[in-house]
Amino acid sequence: EPEVTQTPSHQVTQMGQEVILRCVPISNHLYFYWYRQILGQKVEFLVSFYNNEISEKSEIFDDQFSVERPDGSNFTLKIRSTKLEDSAMYFCASSDPGLAGSYEQYFGPGTRLTVT
Amino acid sequence: EDQVTQSPEALRLQEGESSSLNCSYTVSGLRGLFWYRQDPGKGPEFLFTLYSAGEEKEKERLKATLTKKESFLHITAPKPEDSATYLCAVQERNTGFQKLVFGTGTRLLVSP
Repeated sequence: EPEVTQTPSHQVTQMGQEVILRCVPISNHLYFYWYRQILGQKVEFLVSFYNNEISEKSEIFDDQFSVERPDGSNFTLKIRSTKLEDSAMYFCASSDPGLAGSYEQYFGPGTRLTVT
Repeated sequence: EDQVTQSPEALRLQEGESSSLNCSYTVSGLRGLFWYRQDPGKGPEFLFTLYSAGEEKEKERLKATLTKKESFLHITAPKPEDSATYLCAVQERNTGFQKLVFGTGTRLLVSP
């Protein structure tokens, strides 16, 4: 069964460093997303991406964040200068509403980002 | 602003003891309501999508229902392997965008 994959599973970085989180969405999906979940809190939307551009972003997704689809399979989230409060689980998701109008999003296993 | 409230926050059941989880939502126009299961340290696993009031979906011991203001996830004769956090999320219709707005979840523990 197709699934979303994410690497690394755990990333430890120092405050102020840049990190890139990587995702491989389900191959025939066209919409891609990043969400984050701070420990003990709800899953929060960060950004959606379609047709090689951002279609929506939340207030959390400020100038420190960027997304890219560098090739036909990968989707990345870059945090330019990490802060302590960026420590969270980051989930990538993908969807394909073309399939009979189904809108469900399929999530990857997540990358745990720890900023020290 | 879209809002999703789930109750109870935590629920402890004995194996075989049926119960229901609640998800109340406020959205200007509902495109879909989604139920996910999340195990500790893992990503949300898709369970159901409900699109209109009166709709019901079933999968094994789980049944999801939808009204104009809330959704219920009914768990019939649960087993210990059903222990997880169950998340509810809504997607707004009146927009081309697709973000999901999640509730805080219900942590379910089923004891043998």
